Amino acid sequence: GAVVSQHPSWVICKSGTSVKIECRSLDFQATTMFWYRQFPKQSLMLMATSNEGSKATYEQGVEKDKFLINHASLTLSTLTVTSAHPEDSSFYICSAQTWTEDYNEQFFGPGTRLTVL
Amino acid sequence: AQSVTQLDSQVPVFEEAPVELRCNYSSSVSVYLFWYVQYPNQGLQLLLKYLSGSTLVKGINGFEAEFNKSQTSFHLRKPSVHISDTAEYFCAVSAPGGYNKLIFGAGTRLAVHP
Repeated sequence: GAVVSQHPSWVICKSGTSVKIECRSLDFQATTMFWYRQFPKQSLMLMATSNEGSKATYEQGVEKDKFLINHASLTLSTLTVTSAHPEDSSFYICSAQTWTEDYNEQFFGPGTRLTVL
Repeated sequence: AQSVTQLDSQVPVFEEAPVELRCNYSSSVSVYLFWYVQYPNQGLQLLLKYLSGSTLVKGINGFEAEFNKSQTSFHLRKPSVHISDTAEYFCAVSAPGGYNKLIFGAGTRLAVHP
């Protein structure tokens, strides 16, 4: 149980185009999902916290107009990278949160590799 | 605010040898502590967690960690490693309540050699 999927697993796009990444909780409902960004050989940096039916909360320094997050249902959140540039190339990982034992546990997706040419 | 320091960026070790990956944290409130493993081009998998209670926590794949409040540490150990343990390991901290946002350390690359 507690499986999170991401689609696509990798994507290559041209500079200036927009790319949408989907994050789905397959066997549980998640009121909260998180989006992370990971540069090569570096740690995960939280970009935003997404709650179903409300606007995402972005971390300091993350451009909300560039990284659009939509959490339309309890099993789906999407991240759209608008007008992508080469510096947006990165590994994007989502997580979905649900209550287990006695705390809110995050379950991570497999990640999406974005390459902007 | 919380922060996490992983003291070693890389740890090379021979197969069947013991290993310890070090993690220190900083927080003004009580915290939850986690260790995650990441294989190449994959997401994160939870190895173990400390929420409360016993300070020695056992996880999957033979790993264990000990919470030391006085030294603000949560070091990860395995008595005998395998080639398949080669991966990136992240220590993380969160403050109980709210969204339980995770703050990650920089990661430690464990390289197991035959």
